[in-house]
Amino acid sequence: GQNIDQPTEMTATEGAIVQINCTYQTSGFNGLFWYQQHAGEAPTFLSYNVLDGLEEKGRFSSFLSRSKGYSYLLLKELQMKDSASYLCAAMDSNYQLIWGAGTKLIIKP
Amino acid sequence: GAVVSQHPSRVICKSGTSVKIECRSLDFQATTMFWYRQFPKQSLMLMATSNEGSKATYEQGVEKDKFLINHASLTLSTLTVTSAHPEDSSFYICSARGTEPYEQYFGPGTRLTVT
Repeated sequence: GQNIDQPTEMTATEGAIVQINCTYQTSGFNGLFWYQQHAGEAPTFLSYNVLDGLEEKGRFSSFLSRSKGYSYLLLKELQMKDSASYLCAAMDSNYQLIWGAGTKLIIKP
Repeated sequence: GAVVSQHPSRVICKSGTSVKIECRSLDFQATTMFWYRQFPKQSLMLMATSNEGSKATYEQGVEKDKFLINHASLTLSTLTVTSAHPEDSSFYICSARGTEPYEQYFGPGTRLTVT
């Protein structure tokens, strides 16, 4: 079956670095997405990886290892506004997104 | 990035009535639109996938006669919740996909409350 696993909740300190991991199993693979979702709002796109390696975009970076079925989202210089849920989603061979349950990130001052 | 709008953003209706939610891609043509539902503190649940000019494909467990989806043009899809009940109260989010399969943009969501 198809499955996405990510931690339910993480806590980090303002100014620090946090890494949110995601493992996936899908029928075929057409890329891995990370979305940010603040409470009561729709998800917003953060990153897309389809090749192995690290993609850096400002304070946020995303890594993919296709052979391991593994990705992580790295957030640096954490700010209070980064408190949100982070959703990992893998695109299968039919270009459908398979969603993880999301990781709630709590930032403490 | 591309812009997807949803209307209304919030709606309160009485049990037994129907509610229509519109999803529009404002600056690109969306060949495929997706409708999701999200209950509090839960992840997104895909309800259906709609392609312009054809019938929607519903996920298992989603009643097609209750959740009517119309994708009449490349920029508009509508979801009608028919005979709404309190258990249909949820956050409904649409997303639209452009020509590239990895381009999927979300609307701001519609919060439906059925009393």
